Amino acid sequence: GENVEQHPSTLSVQEGDSAVIKCTYSDSASNYFPWYKQELGKGPQLIIDIRSNVGEKKDQRIAVTLNKTAKHFSLHITETQPEDSAVYFCAETGANNLFFGTGTRLTVIP
Amino acid sequence: SAVISQKPSRDICQRGTSLTIQCQVDSQVTMMFWYRQQPGQSLTLIATANQGSEATYESGFVIDKFPISRPNLTFSTLTVSNMSPEDSSIYLCSVKVWTDSPLHFGNGTRLTVT
Repeated sequence: GENVEQHPSTLSVQEGDSAVIKCTYSDSASNYFPWYKQELGKGPQLIIDIRSNVGEKKDQRIAVTLNKTAKHFSLHITETQPEDSAVYFCAETGANNLFFGTGTRLTVIP
Repeated sequence: SAVISQKPSRDICQRGTSLTIQCQVDSQVTMMFWYRQQPGQSLTLIATANQGSEATYESGFVIDKFPISRPNLTFSTLTVSNMSPEDSSIYLCSVKVWTDSPLHFGNGTRLTVT
């Protein structure tokens, strides 16, 4: 599908707090949901992904949850650090191309 | 994952000229794509670069404006033709090692058209 909504557009948290970014999609055929982190001057870097047969996936301080019924998925970052400051993009795909959300600029305040 | 190198990393060009961006991967990959990221915006797929045949363009992008080559499984070029200031963007090469692999990006080419 081509309709991926991402919220919030900006997010500021204190170092050590958690950050949550949410995306909703409309295509019920979507089955793959990656998250990318883009630092200034660099390309997007894949940080975690989840497929539709799984409800949650964790990798150290990062987790992604998927609710296929409600068609939304979320990125959770715990114990945030200043180096987590970046723009985060969600994406989704069904059969072919990836469609990206509009991005969330996360600022972690030391 | 594959290491993706893009050249140039940035350029400032005059309107009406053309710029060719190169993307080199350190290993053979099944799929290569070109994305555009306008300032402060999300990523939009321009086209899928097909080895040995014409690229597959997304709606709103045409071959005359964005000719693409992919002569082998490790290299592709994107040309931005007859540039105007509206073409000022980051152009990103991306690859999938296999069809079902995750998508990985290069660091992009930052283009400014004056």
